[in-house]
Amino acid sequence: GAGVSQSPSNKVTEKGKDVELRCDPISGHTALYWYRQSLGQGLEFLIYFQGNSAPDKSGLPSDRFSAERTGGSVSTLTIQRTQQEDSAVYLCASSFDRGGETQYFGPGTRLLVL
Amino acid sequence: GESVGLHLPTLSVQEGDNSIINCAYSNSASDYFIWYKQESGKGPQFIIDIRSNMDKRQGQRVTVLLNKTVKHLSLQIAATQPGDSAVYFCAESLPGNTGKLIFGQGTTLQVKP
Repeated sequence: GAGVSQSPSNKVTEKGKDVELRCDPISGHTALYWYRQSLGQGLEFLIYFQGNSAPDKSGLPSDRFSAERTGGSVSTLTIQRTQQEDSAVYLCASSFDRGGETQYFGPGTRLLVL
Repeated sequence: GESVGLHLPTLSVQEGDNSIINCAYSNSASDYFIWYKQESGKGPQFIIDIRSNMDKRQGQRVTVLLNKTVKHLSLQIAATQPGDSAVYFCAESLPGNTGKLIFGQGTTLQVKP
C-alpha cells in the first residue's frame, strides 16, 4: 500500500514568510508525528496527534510553529515568520497507535529559509 | 536529560563483513527501541525493533541485541552489502509516553567494495 507522503518535497522561502508543510499518513494509522532534522543531526520530536485527543505539542520550538490534523488524516505544519534557523528537513511519521508501535516515515520536506 | 547516543559517528567495513553499530540509551524505563536506516535525501526507513522484555530479535540479515543492564543496544548486519551504506539511527520510547521517539545522532556506515 501507499506509504506516508509529504509535500512539497522542497521549499525555499524568504525570512519572515509563512510556510505550510503537508503530510498524508498511511491509511488506517491513527497516530501522526512531526519531527525536524537539521543537517547531519538526529531527529527532533515536534508534535504528535492521536485520534481525537489533544495533540502533544511539547516539542514545538516556539509559538511560530503550529500544526493541525483535519478529519483524523492529513496534517499541516505551519511555520510563521520563518527564520534562517528553521532551515531543516521536516519529517512526518504515522503509526497504528501510540507508544511502542512502529512509526513509518515520509520522505520529508526540505525547507531552506534565505 | 533523556538521550540516546551512538558510540561511533562513522563505521567503515568491507563488503561481505559483518557490521555492528552500537547505541547507548540513558533512560532505564524505556520499553521500546527501534533502528532506522536513512539514505541520503530520504526519510528514515524501519529496520527492526525490540521491546524491553526481549534480549534479541532477528530479521533477515539484521539482529538487534538489547542489554538492559548496561543500557546498550546494538544492530548487527550480516554480510554487509554496498546497499547498506547509510546513516543508522537508534531511537527509544518511554512507557506511558505519547509514543514519540527519542533519537540518537546517527552512525554513518560506509561499505567498501
